[in-house]
Amino acid sequence: DQQVKQNSPSLSVQEGRISILNCDYTNSMFDYFLWYKKYPAEGPTFLISISSIKDKNEDGRFTVFLNKSAKHLSLHIVPSQPGDSAVYFCAAASEDDKVIFGPGTSLSVIP
Amino acid sequence: DAGVIQSPRHEVTEMGQEVTLRCKPISGHNSLFWYRQTMMRGLELLIYFNNNVPIDDSGMPEDRFSAKMPNASFSTLKIQPSEPRDSAVYFCASSLRNEQYFGPGTRLTVT
Repeated sequence: DQQVKQNSPSLSVQEGRISILNCDYTNSMFDYFLWYKKYPAEGPTFLISISSIKDKNEDGRFTVFLNKSAKHLSLHIVPSQPGDSAVYFCAAASEDDKVIFGPGTSLSVIP
Repeated sequence: DAGVIQSPRHEVTEMGQEVTLRCKPISGHNSLFWYRQTMMRGLELLIYFNNNVPIDDSGMPEDRFSAKMPNASFSTLKIQPSEPRDSAVYFCASSLRNEQYFGPGTRLTVT
């Protein structure tokens, strides 16, 4: 059973618009959440994270929102740029440092 | 720092052969993770070590897979005997806290 779900395998957005990537989790023991970005033929790279004590974390064009009661988080990218086209993985961590990744969402930003 | 180093980058082998994948984590990181990425399952955690000790190997698919971490700067993932369904990209990652840093991956093809 998947503990971290990304129900949209792909997403297309026009350049300049907002990209919203969603993630749901099932395990209430997760207390730290991360987003990773992956380009083809490269390893995932860390993008942004949020602790369970917060509901929002912002870093430039990237904002992550956490709704603990709904066990839902989202990544907002605004404005979207063609270089943002990549696979985005949502990940959740518990106290034992184990990190569980979602299946990923492939984002295409159309110029 | 050179980041997480993995070798080889590509491996093509015949079914039944032994395959050994290697990883050098970032110096000072105390956790090391092995992942497998496939189209069907996304990014799967196979095993992770903390301070060179295997903590959770529940993701290892079967006894054909084994992993070792003899010291803080080296880990191996071995598949013996290999099968065509083992074909995937295998990532190694290391971390000090929650953010993991990934290597470039090893693309394994078993024919």
